[in-house]
Amino acid sequence: EAQVTQNPRYLITVTGKKLTVTCSQNMNHEYMSWYRQDPGLGLRQIYYSMNVEVTDKGDVPEGYKVSRKEKRNFPLILESPSPNQTSLYFCASAGGGKSSYEQYFGPGTRLTVT
Amino acid sequence: DQQVKQNSPSLSVQEGRISILNCDYTNSMFDYFLWYKKYPAEGPTFLISISSIKDKNEDGRFTVFLNKSAKHLSLHIVPSQPGDSAVYFCAASGGSGNTPLVFGKGTRLSVIA
Repeated sequence: EAQVTQNPRYLITVTGKKLTVTCSQNMNHEYMSWYRQDPGLGLRQIYYSMNVEVTDKGDVPEGYKVSRKEKRNFPLILESPSPNQTSLYFCASAGGGKSSYEQYFGPGTRLTVT
Repeated sequence: DQQVKQNSPSLSVQEGRISILNCDYTNSMFDYFLWYKKYPAEGPTFLISISSIKDKNEDGRFTVFLNKSAKHLSLHIVPSQPGDSAVYFCAASGGSGNTPLVFGKGTRLSVIA
C-alpha cells in the first residue's frame, strides 16, 4: 500500500530536549516536505526537499532541521524544542515536476512541548 | 502577508444541496491550484486541481472553477453528502513545479443530514 508514515504519532516532551520525528514514504517520490498545522493558521511549510541531499526552507523553518540522505526518509529534527513548537506536524511526499503539487500526506504527529 | 485566503472558516449545508467553498489569491505568478480535504486525526488528501490554462475542472461531484482576472477559485460539491464533512484547504503554486505549495487556512464544511 502506498503510504507516508510518521513516528511517533504523539509526543510530549520538555523544553530543550532534542527530538526527531521520522517520515518515510514507499512511493519512490522525489519531493518531500514538512508542514505544521496550528489553529487559525492552516498548513505552513517548514522545510522541503526536491531530492536526495537537496533541502530548502519553507515559510517557518526557525527552530527546525531536516536531512535527506535517502530518497524514502525525511526526518524532522528539533534541536532545542520550545513551547511555541507545540503543534500538529505533517510530512508529505510527491513525484517530481508538476506532480509535486499533488502531495500525499502522512497521518500527522501531535507534539506538545512543556 | 497571506497569499492564499479562505475567508469563510466554516460552512453548513443541507445534504443533497450544493456546497461552494471559495478561495482568493494575491500572487499573479501562481499557475496551479489544488483543493485538499482533511478529516480529523488524518492527514490532508488531494481532492482536485486546476491549471491556470483552464477555467474549470470536474471530477465526479467535485468541480473547481478558476477566475484568473479576479484571482478567485471555488470548489463546488454537488450533491453534498454527510461524508463530505471535513476541512477543505485551498493551495496554490507557481513557476516550474519546483516551488512549494502555499495553503489557505481552511474552511470547515458541515453537511447536515
